[in-house]
Amino acid sequence: SQQGEEDPQALSIQEGENATMNCSYKTSINNLQWYRQNSGRGLVHLILIRSNEREKHSGRLRVTLDTSKKSSSLLITASRAADTASYFCATDLDSNYQLIWGAGTKLIIKP
Amino acid sequence: DAGVTQSPTHLIKTRGQHVTLRCSPISGHKSVSWYQQVLGQGPQFIFQYYEKEERGRGNFPDRFSARQFPNYSSELNVNALLLGDSALYLCASSLGEGYTDTQYFGPGTRLTVL
Repeated sequence: SQQGEEDPQALSIQEGENATMNCSYKTSINNLQWYRQNSGRGLVHLILIRSNEREKHSGRLRVTLDTSKKSSSLLITASRAADTASYFCATDLDSNYQLIWGAGTKLIIKP
Repeated sequence: DAGVTQSPTHLIKTRGQHVTLRCSPISGHKSVSWYQQVLGQGPQFIFQYYEKEERGRGNFPDRFSARQFPNYSSELNVNALLLGDSALYLCASSLGEGYTDTQYFGPGTRLTVL
C-alpha cells in the first residue's frame, strides 16, 4: 500500500512560473523526502525534511512539512524546461527500514 | 565517483523463467535497497540489506529473494516469473542502515515478462 499521495497527479505550467506539489501521508513519520525521476529512470534525491522541521530550502526548492495535517509541499520557483519530470514524496514508517512512496506528480514545463 | 550501477539495463524473459538483477553501490555505502516500480506508479519497497544482513522486507512473495556480498554489491532474484513482474527494478544505496539516510538510486533494470 502507498503511504504518500501526491497532488495534483499532473501539472503543466509555463517556464518561469512557480510549481507547487503536495503530498499527504497517513501515519507518523520520522522524515519525509522528495525525489525527482526523469523519463522512468533512476530517482534523484532532492531534499529531506525531518519531522521536527517545518521548512527547508535548497536552491530553487522549498519544502514545508505540517505534521498536524500529515502533509508536505514542494515548491519549485522560476521553473525551467529541465524541471520536467515526475516528483515523488517518500516517507518512512517509524519502526521499519523501508520508504513508502506516493504515485507521484508529473510536472511538465512548457517553453 | 561512480554512482550506483545496475545490470543489465533491459531484460526480456518469459513466464516461469528465473532472473537475476545486479547492483553495485556507491563506494563506501553499506546499505542496498531494492524497489519495484510499475509504470505510472511510485516505487514499491522489496528489500533492504545492510552489512550483508536483511534489514527489511516489503510485501512481496517468496519468489523474490536477494543477497548482499562482502563487497556490498547485491543481487535480486525472482523465480517463476509472472507477467505482473514486468517493471523497472531500482536499486538504491545509502551510507548507513537507517531510513533517514539519503538513498542514491541507480538507473534501473527494465524487466519485461512475456
